[in-house]
Amino acid sequence: QKEVEQNSGPLSVPEGAIASLNCTYSDRGSQSFFWYRQYSGKSPELIMFIYSNGDKEDGRFTAQLNKASQYVSLLIRDSQPSDSATYLCAVKAAGNKLTFGGGTRVLVKP
Amino acid sequence: DTEVTQTPKHLVMGMTNKKSLKCEQHMGHRAMYWYKQKAKKPPELMFVYSYEKLSINESVPSRFSPECPNSSLLNLHLHALQPEDSALYLCASSQSSGRAGETQYFGPGTRLLVL
Repeated sequence: QKEVEQNSGPLSVPEGAIASLNCTYSDRGSQSFFWYRQYSGKSPELIMFIYSNGDKEDGRFTAQLNKASQYVSLLIRDSQPSDSATYLCAVKAAGNKLTFGGGTRVLVKP
Repeated sequence: DTEVTQTPKHLVMGMTNKKSLKCEQHMGHRAMYWYKQKAKKPPELMFVYSYEKLSINESVPSRFSPECPNSSLLNLHLHALQPEDSALYLCASSQSSGRAGETQYFGPGTRLLVL
């Protein structure tokens, strides 16, 4: 069983709609949760992190964390074609090690 | 400034060559990382240095040899690589404070092709 799981997609959303990305993790000791965006051929870029249960909003992005269900999600509101990328969920337990999910490819269609 | 720099951007090497990848950060971060990323896969951790000491080695073959000369620099020495080692090599850094939400910042990567 993979430690961090994401639907590989592609998740196709029309421009202006909400994109909803999900991530589940197996280690109950996980403490911090990160969403990175990666454009093709580029390096991962941090979108946001969350470590408390509930919602955290930053601009058009909202991260949601439910530790009881071992579930973290990312909502992208008012999706733009420039949001088309692969979104990586990453989970950190104690220490410096990040464990990445396989990524969800998002396609925003004009 | 959240910049991590990597050189070179691209590298082509033969299986008998020796080359080095370089990474630099000036954010005062005390943890630095090497990742390997194959196409359509997530980054795969190779090594972690914390306070210039190697703290994690994810069972990486000895043909990859990391070095951390000081708190700002991280090198990856390559020798006798195989074609399957062709990938994007990513460097990252973080504060190593242990605080929740401590973020790793990635450099642009070195795209390596082994012939």
